[in-house]
Amino acid sequence: DTEVTQTPKHLVMGMTNKKSLKCEQHMGHRAMYWYKQKAKKPPELMFVYSYEKLSINESVPSRFSPECPNSSLLNLHLHALQPEDSALYLCASSQNRDSPYEQYFGPGTRLLVL
Amino acid sequence: QQQVKQSPQSLIVQKGGISIINCAYENTAFDYFPWYQQFPGKGPALLIAIRPDVSEKKEGRFTISFNKSAKQFSLHIMDSQPGDSATYFCAAGRAGNMLTFGGGTRLMVKP
Repeated sequence: DTEVTQTPKHLVMGMTNKKSLKCEQHMGHRAMYWYKQKAKKPPELMFVYSYEKLSINESVPSRFSPECPNSSLLNLHLHALQPEDSALYLCASSQNRDSPYEQYFGPGTRLLVL
Repeated sequence: QQQVKQSPQSLIVQKGGISIINCAYENTAFDYFPWYQQFPGKGPALLIAIRPDVSEKKEGRFTISFNKSAKQFSLHIMDSQPGDSATYFCAAGRAGNMLTFGGGTRLMVKP
């Protein structure tokens, strides 16, 4: 099973709202990733968790706050977003951070910030 | 040093034809080269990948050709079908570092 699930599929939020994106995998992977993808662009790395610890933060604004409650779950908390944050947010996982090779992506959450 | 350049940006192929997408990299430390297929509104799906110790890998209608000396690799889709219409991303990776993606190719296969 190479499935990564994400909820919700779609999210519309105002600039003052607080919302969370959720990601789950049951492949026993110990590295999990958040990416942001704009239309017609490749995925852009935001955060990497390795063994439930944040190992990479690609200079992402503090209005995005990641959380890894356990080895299967990854959350992305959103607060005071801007319209330019509207994008497809992708979660991915791989066996571990030292072997990022086979990264499996979820279907993404389509976020619209009004 | 981390860049991966992908071409063409878009490609139109007739049904049954061969689709060819090319990528070039600069960092010789890369040792893993995957291709991802992405349909509109979906996440990228790992399609096929190659390591530099082989020059070609084939899985069904999909083949990766790898030229280590030229630092180039390509995806060939044989007998292209309308269902192959998607965006394709090449990437390059190495241990301890994250994947570097190419800019993407939008493929349209006409019936």
